[in-house]
Amino acid sequence: AQKITQTQPGMFVQEKEAVTLDCTYDTSDPSYGLFWYKQPSSGEMIFLIYQGSYDQQNATEGRYSLNFQKARKSANLVISASQLGDSAMYFCAMREGRGGSYIPTFGRGTSLIVHP
Amino acid sequence: DGGITQSPKYLFRKEGQNVTLSCEQNLNHDAMYWYRQDPGQGLRLIYYSQIVNDFQKGDIAEGYSVSREKKESFPLTVTSAQKNPTAFYLCASSWGPNYNSPLHFGNGTRLTVT
Repeated sequence: AQKITQTQPGMFVQEKEAVTLDCTYDTSDPSYGLFWYKQPSSGEMIFLIYQGSYDQQNATEGRYSLNFQKARKSANLVISASQLGDSAMYFCAMREGRGGSYIPTFGRGTSLIVHP
Repeated sequence: DGGITQSPKYLFRKEGQNVTLSCEQNLNHDAMYWYRQDPGQGLRLIYYSQIVNDFQKGDIAEGYSVSREKKESFPLTVTSAQKNPTAFYLCASSWGPNYNSPLHFGNGTRLTVT
C-alpha cells in the first residue's frame, strides 16, 4: 500500500488565485513529520513547509499553508495568490519510524501549471 | 554558502559498465540519502546513511552500492547488475534522522545508459 497518495497528477490555476494540492498519508506511528517540496523543471527539490504530527496548528510559510487534518490523515498544501513561478511539480513526503530511524517517503507528485 | 553538490549533471554510459555518482555536502549534516526519480513514480529511496561508516538499504537497493567514509561524502555506484539504470538521481541530506528534519537536495544527476 502506498504511504503517501497524491491523487491529482495535474492541476491548473489562474495567476493570483489560490490552489489546493491534495495529499493523504498512511501510518500507524504516532510520531511523524509531513513535508512539501517543489521541483521546478530544472530538477532541484526545494523544501517548502513542514507539519509535525503533534502540532496543533496548521503550518504556514509565506504564501504556503498546510491544511492538516489528522483524523482524516490528510496534509493538503494551499498556495495563495499563485504566481507564474509556482509552475512546477509538487511532492508530499512523510517521515515515519522505520528500524529506529525516520525514513522519508514521497508521493508521486502533482504537476501545477499557473496560467497568466 | 552551504549546500549539496552532485556531479556530473549529465552522465552517459554503455550497458555493462559500472558508474559512480558523486555527492558532497558542506552542511555538516549527519544523514544522507540517495533517491531515484522516474517519470510518474515520485522519488524512491535507494540507500541512506545516518553516520559515517554505516549505511542501510532503501526500497530499491538492488544493483546499487554506496560508501560513507567521510561525513561530507556519499557516493553512489550504479552497477551493471541494475537492470534499468537510466533515471534521474537525487542526493539529499538532513541534520538528523528525526521526523522533523527536512531534506536538503542536490541538483541531481541524469544518468543515461545505452
